[in-house]
Amino acid sequence: DTEVTQTPKHLVMGMTNKKSLKCEQHMGHRAMYWYKQKAKKPPELMFVYSYEKLSINESVPSRFSPECPNSSLLNLHLHALQPEDSALYLCASGLAGPSEQFFGPGTRLTVL
Amino acid sequence: GESVGLHLPTLSVQEGDNSIINCAYSNSASDYFIWYKQESGKGPQFIIDIRSNMDKRQGQRVTVLLNKTVKHLSLQIAATQPGDSAVYFCAEYGNKLVFGAGTILRVKS
Repeated sequence: DTEVTQTPKHLVMGMTNKKSLKCEQHMGHRAMYWYKQKAKKPPELMFVYSYEKLSINESVPSRFSPECPNSSLLNLHLHALQPEDSALYLCASGLAGPSEQFFGPGTRLTVL
Repeated sequence: GESVGLHLPTLSVQEGDNSIINCAYSNSASDYFIWYKQESGKGPQFIIDIRSNMDKRQGQRVTVLLNKTVKHLSLQIAATQPGDSAVYFCAEYGNKLVFGAGTILRVKS
């Protein structure tokens, strides 16, 4: 299995809702990543997990809360989001350090 | 509002021609570079990578050139096909992956 899967594909939520994005990979990768991508912009790194421990947090607001339950799963918990948080949220996995990252198809999030 | 950077640079090429997409990177300490292709509705897809101790690497129909003196990276696509139409991002790795702005490649049949 050489793909990264993400659910849901689309998500619409209100500013008071709590929701979670999920990501899964079965390639044995020990690094997993969350990126945010706005329209016509490049992906921007949010969080890095290495060996199931949070290693990088790019000063992301606390309304985004990542979780890595095991080496195959990565979650992003969302609470009290703002309309400007609407974007494509991409998950990626790879070997730790400078190496190819494999991206999932993303979750298209709309915050009303 | 987003008035700056709303329009990505676009390269239009005829099917069968060669394409060259350029990228300037910013971090002199970056030691690994990747080109990604992103089609509409999909996540970025790896094309080719190069380490900083190399200046050229070839793949199938693609070549990446690295000029560290001027911090410039290019992607050459030979015999461009309609399926190559996408947004292309260069990315550099110092201690994390940082993407460049992106270039739209349009292939005319």
